[in-house]
Amino acid sequence: DAGITQSPRYKITETGRQVTLMCHQTWSHSYMFWYRQDLGHGLRLIYYSAAADITDKGEVPDGYVVSRSKTENFPLTLESATRSQTSVYFCASRSTGSANYGYTFGSGTRLTVV
Amino acid sequence: SQQGEEDPQALSIQEGENATMNCSYKTSINNLQWYRQNSGRGLVHLILIRSNEREKHSGRLRVTLDTSKKSSSLLITASRAADTASYFCARGDNDYKLSFGAGTTVTVRA
Repeated sequence: DAGITQSPRYKITETGRQVTLMCHQTWSHSYMFWYRQDLGHGLRLIYYSAAADITDKGEVPDGYVVSRSKTENFPLTLESATRSQTSVYFCASRSTGSANYGYTFGSGTRLTVV
Repeated sequence: SQQGEEDPQALSIQEGENATMNCSYKTSINNLQWYRQNSGRGLVHLILIRSNEREKHSGRLRVTLDTSKKSSSLLITASRAADTASYFCARGDNDYKLSFGAGTTVTVRA
C-alpha cells in the first residue's frame, strides 16, 4: 500500500554495525508499530508508538532503538547488529479512535546480518 | 510469545473448495483480526470481529468467534488460486496492540 513506505527493501550489514530502517506513513496515523517476522515465530512486536515523542517497548525490544520526532516517521535502529537480528521487519500504522481498526502494513525490509 | 495459535499450520485444497483455519488464544480480547500475507509482501487486513460479535462476513470470507472457548475460525469459500497465501490471526488488546500467531499457509491447487 503506497501510504506506508519502508526503506530499504533489502539490506545486508555486518555484525556490530549500526543500521537504521525507515518507515514513513502519509495518513497521519497516531499509532505506529515495528514487528519482526521469523520462521516459526510469526510476527513479534519490537516497539510501538502512540504519538510523536511517545514510544514503548514491545515483546522483543533488546538491541533496538526507536524515535518518533514526527508523526509520519518511525525509524528503527539496530545499535550493534547481531546475526540473531537477521529477519524481515515490518512497520505498521493504525488510525486513532476506537481500538476496532485494522493495521496497515508496509512491504517490509529484509535484513541480513553477516 | 504468541497469543494466537493457528491450526492447521498448512492447508492444501483444490480450487473451488472451501478452506477453514482456526485460531486459539489465551487471554481476553477486545477484537480478533485476520490478515493475509502473500509471499514476500506485507500483511493485508482482511476482517475484524469484536469480542461481542459471534460471526462476520466479508465477500467470500466468514469469521466466527467463540469467546467462551477463546477461539476463532476463518472460512474462505469457493477458493481461487489467488487465495494462496499465509493467513494470520491477531488478538487485539484494549490498548491497540496486536499479538500475532504463527499463521496458516494455504495453497490452492488449480
